[in-house]
Amino acid sequence: NAGVTQTPKFRILKIGQSMTLQCTQDMNHNYMYWYRQDPGMGLKLIYYSVGAGITDKGEVPNGYNVSRSTTEDFPLRLELAAPSQTSVYFCASNRQEMNTEAFFGQGTRLTVV
Amino acid sequence: KQEVTQIPAALSVPEGENLVLNCSFTDSAIYNLQWFRQDPGKGLTSLLLIQSSQREQTSGRLNASLDKSSGRSTLYIAASQPGDSATYLCAVRPFSGTYKYIFGTGTRLKVLA
Repeated sequence: NAGVTQTPKFRILKIGQSMTLQCTQDMNHNYMYWYRQDPGMGLKLIYYSVGAGITDKGEVPNGYNVSRSTTEDFPLRLELAAPSQTSVYFCASNRQEMNTEAFFGQGTRLTVV
Repeated sequence: KQEVTQIPAALSVPEGENLVLNCSFTDSAIYNLQWFRQDPGKGLTSLLLIQSSQREQTSGRLNASLDKSSGRSTLYIAASQPGDSATYLCAVRPFSGTYKYIFGTGTRLKVLA
C-alpha cells in the first residue's frame, strides 16, 4: 500500500529558481491538498483540489501554482523561489465523504538560499 | 474564523504514566476532528477521527473525546511508552466553505524510560 507519495524528500534551491514538488496517491481519492509546515506553526493550506481539473486556493497560495490533470497526481509548482518558501511541504488526500480520514505523504523539506 | 489551540506545547512524562493532551477550537460547526501523530522528519499518521455526532473513539491505548459545545477534545494515552514520543496534532474539518482541515500547532510529547 503506497498511499500518498511525495518526491523529492529534500531539496535546496537558490533564490529565483523554480521546481515542482510531486505528489501521487493510489487510493482513488478525489480530494487532495498541499500544506506547508513552518517550525512552531500549524499546517497551513496552500492549494486544494476536489477532483481532476478542479483546484482552488487555500490560505497561503502566493508564490505557488498547482494542476490536477488526473485523479492520482497533484503537483505543486514554485516559480520564483524565495527564502520565505523555506518550509516542509505535505501533500494529503482523502475520499469525497466528509467523515473520512486524511492521509499524508512523508513531506518534502525545501530550503531556499 | 476557526482557530485550533493545543496546550501545552511540550510535555515530558515518565514511562507508564497516563496522560491527556488537549485541543480546543473556537467554532463548533465542524464535520469531525482528527488526531494525528508526527514523528521527527516524517509525515502525519492518523490516529483517531471523531465525527461531530460522536463523543469518543478508542484505538488500543488511545481514547479521544469530543465536546463540541465547549469546543474541546482530549486525547488520552494510557500507560505511556517511550515509543509514544512524538508530536500530536489535532485538526478540525469545518462546515464552512472549503474542504480543508484546520490544524493546531501540536503538543510535543516525550516519554522518559
